[in-house]
Amino acid sequence: GNSVTQMEGPVTLSEEAFLTINCTYTATGYPSLFWYVQYPGEGLQLLLKATKADDKGSNKGFEATYRKETTSFHLEKGSVQVSDSAVYFCALSDQGGSEKLVFGKGTKLTVNP
Amino acid sequence: DSGVTQTPKHLITATGQRVTLRCSPRSGDLSVYWYQQSLDQGLQFLIHYYNGEERAKGNILERFSAQQFPDLHSELNLSSLELGDSALYFCASSAQGVANEQFFGPGTRLTVL
Repeated sequence: GNSVTQMEGPVTLSEEAFLTINCTYTATGYPSLFWYVQYPGEGLQLLLKATKADDKGSNKGFEATYRKETTSFHLEKGSVQVSDSAVYFCALSDQGGSEKLVFGKGTKLTVNP
Repeated sequence: DSGVTQTPKHLITATGQRVTLRCSPRSGDLSVYWYQQSLDQGLQFLIHYYNGEERAKGNILERFSAQQFPDLHSELNLSSLELGDSALYFCASSAQGVANEQFFGPGTRLTVL
């Protein structure tokens, strides 16, 4: 079945550091890809998405490019802030009729001032 | 605020009991998804309803059931509760044909003692 693998955390960075969180997927067809963010004590918020190969999703300084050849959707940000501390989830939409989301295990990011 | 509401926010109950979790989707969204988030299993899809009809089931236990009502709100019923059912339960809604962009509610934290 479809699956998502993302880098194990936790990740700890200093403010203004460069962030990369790796995400690779296994899927049949051409799923849409997503990054969701979960702040402490809150639900999931959609951070960005890409619906086809070579699409770049971007939001709040975060970017990810849908790479079909490497089945990847790595999340990047050039300069992280303390407020970016959260858990980040990579996900794909299952194309098997339901379009349910299949999530990676999440990566906890802590940004220190 | 995603526009998806869930009640209650917290629920504490005992093993063997039955509880009902409620979700109201964003205005106009016909799809409702239920997910379970636990430390060991991560985020797991449970069930999807579209306009009152069950569309897909994930790894949902037979002790769990759900329904979507004519006003589109949904309820997740959990019965014969076990300690291992303690988790965060999220509801998400989406509009048809929007690349399955799902909007999540704040979740219900269930604790089974």
